Amino acid sequence: DAGVIQSPRHEVTEMGQEVTLRCKPISGHNSLFWYRQTMMRGLELLIYFNNNVPIDDSGMPEDRFSAKMPNASFSTLKIQPSEPRDSAVYFCASSPQPSNQPQHFGDGTRLSIL
Amino acid sequence: AQSVTQLDSQVPVFEEAPVELRCNYSSSVSVYLFWYVQYPNQGLQLLLKYLSGSTLVKGINGFEAEFNKSQTSFHLRKPSVHISDTAEYFCAVSDRDNFNKFYFGSGTKLNVKP
Repeated sequence: DAGVIQSPRHEVTEMGQEVTLRCKPISGHNSLFWYRQTMMRGLELLIYFNNNVPIDDSGMPEDRFSAKMPNASFSTLKIQPSEPRDSAVYFCASSPQPSNQPQHFGDGTRLSIL
Repeated sequence: AQSVTQLDSQVPVFEEAPVELRCNYSSSVSVYLFWYVQYPNQGLQLLLKYLSGSTLVKGINGFEAEFNKSQTSFHLRKPSVHISDTAEYFCAVSDRDNFNKFYFGSGTKLNVKP
């Protein structure tokens, strides 16, 4: 079975540019999560969706960050404009209902903002 | 909201020695418990989970964890570690009443030395 698929795996861009990260969850999973991982702050939950609806976006650092889930098989995380402090590894995870099911993680996107 | 505390940020251990990675969480009400492992440049993989029943849970790669409700702990153990166990380990709590939202600990880096 295909796992959670993230693209790109690596992204290097200059500050001020728009960055779009993509995620395809596992088919049949109702919940989708975006995380950010850095050495300083560890693993942070940015936003999560249930049945394509954003449930909690309190972890989104500021208005430069936005996330969408137009359908059950695709989600994007966008940063506009990007800043060097956004450099991190961004993970997408998905899980089925109910809440006793584990989350399945993608391999992450390593983002570097110069 | 839940909180998860991993008391040790790094644990050095020699190969074939036993190891315990500690995890405490803030509330024993309506939660499920998980341990994940992250190898370098990869996403998180599920090691084991506690949902209900026996308090001793066995996972992959010879790891096990014990749920202790009175101490709100879920410590991870392995009787004899291998070099290949070198990785970062994350404890997580799932809130049953909150759409699969996971609360992750800050991680413990296990460094197995020859």
